[in-house]
Amino acid sequence: AQTVTQSQPEMSVQEAETVTLSCTYDTSENNYYLFWYKQPPSRQMILVIRQEAYKQQNATENRFSVNFQKAAKSFSLKISDSQLGDTAMYFCAFRPPYGNNRLAFGKGNQVVVIP
Amino acid sequence: GAGVSQSPSNKVTEKGKDVELRCDPISGHTALYWYRQSLGQGLEFLIYFQGNSAPDKSGLPSDRFSAERTGGSVSTLTIQRTQQEDSAVYLCASSFGTVNGDTQYFGPGTRLTVL
Repeated sequence: AQTVTQSQPEMSVQEAETVTLSCTYDTSENNYYLFWYKQPPSRQMILVIRQEAYKQQNATENRFSVNFQKAAKSFSLKISDSQLGDTAMYFCAFRPPYGNNRLAFGKGNQVVVIP
Repeated sequence: GAGVSQSPSNKVTEKGKDVELRCDPISGHTALYWYRQSLGQGLEFLIYFQGNSAPDKSGLPSDRFSAERTGGSVSTLTIQRTQQEDSAVYLCASSFGTVNGDTQYFGPGTRLTVL
C-alpha cells in the first residue's frame, strides 16, 4: 500500500503571506495522480489542486501551486497571498493508475491564517 | 449541479445499536466511495462501487460494516452493533469512474458518535 507523509501538523501564516506544505509519498509506480484537498471546519473536503505524474509541468490553480519532484517523490503545496478563508486542514492524497481508484491520504496539515 | 450530499449530518447512538448513513452522489457519477475519518487513523478507505460491478469491500474494518448502492445512485452504509471505536466522520465521494485519474468529489460527511 502507498504511504503518504505530511510532517508539519500545524502551521500559522500571516494574511497575505506565503506558506508551503510538504508531502512525500512512497510508490514503485511510474504513472499516478496526486491531489491536495482542503477541509475547513465545515468538514467538506474540497479539491485544491491535482497533478498527473506523467506531466513535468507543475500544476497551478490561482493562488495555489505545487512543486512536484518525481524523483524525490515529493509534492509540496504553496499557498500565496494567504486569505482568512484558507484556514483549514490540508490533505495530500495519492491515487495509483490501476485498481479501484482509492485515495491514500496523509495525516493532514492544519493551516491557520492570522489577520 | 448539486454536489454530493450525505445524511444525517450528525448521528448520536448508543453502543450496540445499528445505524444507517446515506450518500447521494453527483448525478452522472458512476463511481462512489466511502471513507472514514477518525482522530487516530486519519482518512481510511472503506468501500468502492463502480457502475454495476461488484463492490470493492476490502477496506471495511469488520463484518459489522456493510454498504449497498441501489440503482447505481444512492448508497447506504450500515454499521451493525455499533462500538465506541466506530465514532468517526464518515465521508462519501463520487466520480465519473474513468480510468485516467478522475477527481473524487466529497460530501460534507456524517459525524457518528457512539456513546
